[in-house]
Amino acid sequence: EPEVTQTPSHQVTQMGQEVILRCVPISNHLYFYWYRQILGQKVEFLVSFYNNEISEKSEIFDDQFSVERPDGSNFTLKIRSTKLEDSAMYFCASSKERQYEQYFGPGTRLTVT
Amino acid sequence: KQEVTQIPAALSVPEGENLVLNCSFTDSAIYNLQWFRQDPGKGLTSLLLIQSSQREQTSGRLNASLDKSSGRSTLYIAASQPGDSATYLCAVGDDYKLSFGAGTTVTVRA
Repeated sequence: EPEVTQTPSHQVTQMGQEVILRCVPISNHLYFYWYRQILGQKVEFLVSFYNNEISEKSEIFDDQFSVERPDGSNFTLKIRSTKLEDSAMYFCASSKERQYEQYFGPGTRLTVT
Repeated sequence: KQEVTQIPAALSVPEGENLVLNCSFTDSAIYNLQWFRQDPGKGLTSLLLIQSSQREQTSGRLNASLDKSSGRSTLYIAASQPGDSATYLCAVGDDYKLSFGAGTTVTVRA
């Protein structure tokens, strides 16, 4: 069964460094999302992406964040200058159409020291 | 802004008992509602999706109901098993995103 994959599973970085989190959505899906979950807190929406454009973003998704679909399969989240408070589990998701079921990847645990 | 609340926060039941998990949301202008399962340190597994026009959705031992006008959904798990122990998340869908509740952590005792 097709699934969303994410790499790496765990990334440790120093404050101020840039990180890129990678996702491969399900191949025939058109809508892509990033969410994050700080330890012990709710899953929070970051951004949705369709047709090579951001559809919606949350107030968390400031100028330090960017997303890209560099080729036909990958979907990336870049954090330009990481802060301690960026430490969280980052989940990628995809859906076939808007308002369809969203399928989540296993997540990347980002630890900023 | 959509607020999603799940009650109770935690639940412990003996094996075989039916589980009832509640979810409420503040804005009834939703497109769908999705229930997920999350195991510790893991990703989110989709269990059921209910479209806003539906009242109910079933998958095996799972049944989810939706009352959009009152802003409520309930997930029923019949004949619980120890393998059902996990955190169950409710997520409300609008145009481009899901808004999540904090989850109900379920423990099924053998």
